[in-house]
Amino acid sequence: LAKTTQPISMDSYEGQEVNITCSHNNIATNDYITWYQQFPSQGPRFIIQGYKTKVTNEVASLFIPADRKSSTLSLPRVSLSDTAVYYCLVGDRNSGGYQKVTFGTGTKLQVIP
Amino acid sequence: DAGVTQSPTHLIKTRGQQVTLRCSPKSGHDTVSWYQQALGQGPQFIFQYYEEEERQRGNFPDRFSGHQFPNYSSELNVNALLLGDSALYLCASSSTDRGRNEQFFGPGTRLTVL
Repeated sequence: LAKTTQPISMDSYEGQEVNITCSHNNIATNDYITWYQQFPSQGPRFIIQGYKTKVTNEVASLFIPADRKSSTLSLPRVSLSDTAVYYCLVGDRNSGGYQKVTFGTGTKLQVIP
Repeated sequence: DAGVTQSPTHLIKTRGQQVTLRCSPKSGHDTVSWYQQALGQGPQFIFQYYEEEERQRGNFPDRFSGHQFPNYSSELNVNALLLGDSALYLCASSSTDRGRNEQFFGPGTRLTVL
C-alpha cells in the first residue's frame, strides 16, 4: 500500500487560499488519490478525488503532477468552518469491491479569524 | 435519502466482554468497510465486505470479525475486549459501480472499554 506523508498542522487566516501537499512516492498505477475532511467526533467526508493533472469541484481543487508522487489540495478562500483534519489517501480498485485504503495522520488545519 | 447510519452512537463495555456494532450503508451502495479511529489518529482499516464476504482485511486480530447481510447492512463484532479497543468505530459504504471510488462515512460508534 502506498504510504502518504502530510504536514501535521497548518494555520491560515480567513479568506486565504490554503494548499496542503501530500507525498505518496510509492503510488501504484491503479491508485487514485482521494482527500477527506473530518470534524471532531464525525466520520470523514469526501472532498475530491483524482488520478492525474487537475481536478476541480465546488469546494476544492486537486493538483497532481505527471509523476503522481505528490498531490496538492487547494482550498480557496477558507472560512472558520474549514477548520478540520484533512486526510490524503491513495488506493487501488480491485475486482469485486473497493480498495483497502490507508489513512495517515492527516493535516490539522486551523483557520484564524 | 439516508446516508450511512450506525448504531449505537455510544457504548461502554468492560474488559473481556463482547460487542456488536451495526451499520446500514447509503442507499445504492453494496460495499461496507469498517475503520477504527483512536483519539488523535487517522482511521485504521479493519476490513471490507462485499457480496456478504470479507474481501480485504487490515492488521487486526481475529477478535475482530464481521458480517454482511443480503440487504448490504453489516455488523462488526469484537470479542474479548481490551482497554486498547476504546475508539471511534467508523463504517463507510461505497458502490462497485461508481467510477470515482468515493466512500461515505457514518457518524461512528464511540466505544469505551473500562
